[in-house]
Amino acid sequence: KAGVTQTPRYLIKTRGQQVTLSCSPISGHRSVSWYQQTPGQGLQFLFEYFSETQRNKGNFPGRFSGRQFSNSRSEMNVSTLELGDSALYLCASSRGHQNTEAFFGQGTRLTVV
Amino acid sequence: GESVGLHLPTLSVQEGDNSIINCAYSNSASDYFIWYKQESGKGPQFIIDIRSNMDKRQGQRVTVLLNKTVKHLSLQIAATQPGDSAVYFCAESLSGNTPLVFGKGTRLSVIA
Repeated sequence: KAGVTQTPRYLIKTRGQQVTLSCSPISGHRSVSWYQQTPGQGLQFLFEYFSETQRNKGNFPGRFSGRQFSNSRSEMNVSTLELGDSALYLCASSRGHQNTEAFFGQGTRLTVV
Repeated sequence: GESVGLHLPTLSVQEGDNSIINCAYSNSASDYFIWYKQESGKGPQFIIDIRSNMDKRQGQRVTVLLNKTVKHLSLQIAATQPGDSAVYFCAESLSGNTPLVFGKGTRLSVIA
């Protein structure tokens, strides 16, 4: 059974650009959550989707957005990139609408230059 | 608000010894907890979880203890191995209905 798959693994963008990251959850999992991980702030919650609906949203600016498709795959988008957006972006999936037994992908390392 | 913290940011143990990683949480309403292990360059790996109706749960070489009275969580690793070297995070949630809130992490270094 495949785990959570995130693409791409690495990405370099320049300030002002926008970026889209993809997450394919474990087969059968319908809930997807996104987190930003930085050395200074640790793991911070971005948003969570279940059945194509955003269930929760973290305290991030509107430049950060996401969506979920009918096959449970999710994307997150960051517009007008800033240097401070450089981070490891992690996606976690869980089976039901609760965040129990949430499994993470390898993450996408975004570097903004 | 919800917050999760750790007493020790780094922990060094001898190979073969037992390790204990601690976590304090501030939200007394939190009733679901997960421990994750994160190796360099990888995403967090699910280790074990526990609900507040239990005070102890065991897995393979790992035991999680929950003390709701003092809002304390610990992860015990038996016979620590070099492969256990990683950063360990605890996370809390309200019945899994709220986003997981993570602590800053504890780095475990195993000395061979």
